[in-house]
Amino acid sequence: GIQVEQSPPDLILQEGANSTLRCNFSDSVNNLQWFHQNPWGQLINLFYIPSGTKQNGRLSATTVATERYSLLYISSSQTTDSGVYFCAVGSNDYKLSFGAGTTVTVRA
Amino acid sequence: EAGVAQSPRYKIIEKRQSVAFWCNPISGHATLYWYQQILGQGPKLLIQFQNNGVVDDSQLPKDRFSAERLKGVDSTLKIQPAKLEDSAVYLCATSDPSGGAWDTQYFGPGTRLTVL
Repeated sequence: GIQVEQSPPDLILQEGANSTLRCNFSDSVNNLQWFHQNPWGQLINLFYIPSGTKQNGRLSATTVATERYSLLYISSSQTTDSGVYFCAVGSNDYKLSFGAGTTVTVRA
Repeated sequence: EAGVAQSPRYKIIEKRQSVAFWCNPISGHATLYWYQQILGQGPKLLIQFQNNGVVDDSQLPKDRFSAERLKGVDSTLKIQPAKLEDSAVYLCATSDPSGGAWDTQYFGPGTRLTVL
């Protein structure tokens, strides 16, 4: 299956700071999604972004499919941004393979 | 629009006992997934249904795990007998493939299983 590597594994931010999370994948994909898992365990879909750039409020994502990576940007971080961010990818078989996640802690 | 519902939220059992989890998808979502998330890891797909048919169950440990989706709506996942390594959060997700080949997956709150 497709291997997914996320970096960094852990990130500690001061409120108001900006950050970049990275997702590398081992093969071509036609499905890439970013999720946020809050401290209560709820997984929320942030972006469906197999290629290109999207923005939603303080979050934006860019996927360069030809180079097999995606970036998630968090600007002006808030304490509510804390949690684990997962990148998940899929190809032609409809399955999503998840990375191990980046744990983000935003301190007030 | 109501989200994906799961029950129970928490379950503690002894090893070798059986347990069942229930998932109710978002109305109209034809595709349903069960994931296992072990602490510190990303979710791992166990089984995928399209309506009431199985699309993929290649990672389901079939000697102890079973799942069904009657009438293409609710789904149950069962473990019998449970092992210590089954301790995890079991997540249900659904999507609506009618909008295209790839669609956003919506996750339920999960069931946290502890096997003692």
